[in-house]
Amino acid sequence: AQSVTQPDIHITVSEGASLELRCNYSYGATPYLFWYVQSPGQGLQLLLKYFSGDTLVQGIKGFEAEFKRSQSSFNLRKPSVHWSDAAEYFCAVAPPGGGNKLTFGTGTQLKVEL
Amino acid sequence: DTGVSQNPRHKITKRGQNVTFRCDPISEHNRLYWYRQTLGQGPEFLTYFQNEAQLEKSRLLSDRFSAERPKGSFSTLEIQRTEQGDSAMYLCASSRVEPHNSPLHFGNGTRLTVT
Repeated sequence: AQSVTQPDIHITVSEGASLELRCNYSYGATPYLFWYVQSPGQGLQLLLKYFSGDTLVQGIKGFEAEFKRSQSSFNLRKPSVHWSDAAEYFCAVAPPGGGNKLTFGTGTQLKVEL
Repeated sequence: DTGVSQNPRHKITKRGQNVTFRCDPISEHNRLYWYRQTLGQGPEFLTYFQNEAQLEKSRLLSDRFSAERPKGSFSTLEIQRTEQGDSAMYLCASSRVEPHNSPLHFGNGTRLTVT
């Protein structure tokens, strides 16, 4: 069965600092990979996705993620965090070509200190 | 694109009561998904529809849960004889069928509290 691990439950960074959120997955083949963000009282918003090709993908709001097959990882990065980035971030996987039946990680809560 | 709409936003009910939630997807989206999110967890897949056909149900969806999408537009999720363990955020999402990697658009969810 597929699974997603986000080892950091909470992360605190200062505004302007760089950010990396970790995500590891377990799956037989290379799945489709996603990062979503959820602000309080809001639905999930897709930041970026990886299906194939270039392993460095760019997303919205200045985020990027790198797929590393050898490490079964898909870490999310941002060079300079803004206070408005404070939210919960979820990594998710889906079977290749399997539509949107996503398996999510448990999330990382990001706090930004001013 | 008015987004995915879910009603109500909050529902408080007593154990043993039935509840029904509604989801209105983005109008041109053929696929509609239900997920459940409990505190401190990521969303978990419950079921999905393509048009009016329910194509897959998770084992999480016990006999007390039923979902419908009668005309291929809005969907309802009913929970019968609610239990305290049903307390969660119920999320609806929709997407196009093609292209096959069409992204999911989530609603803001219905938060259920069973007392």
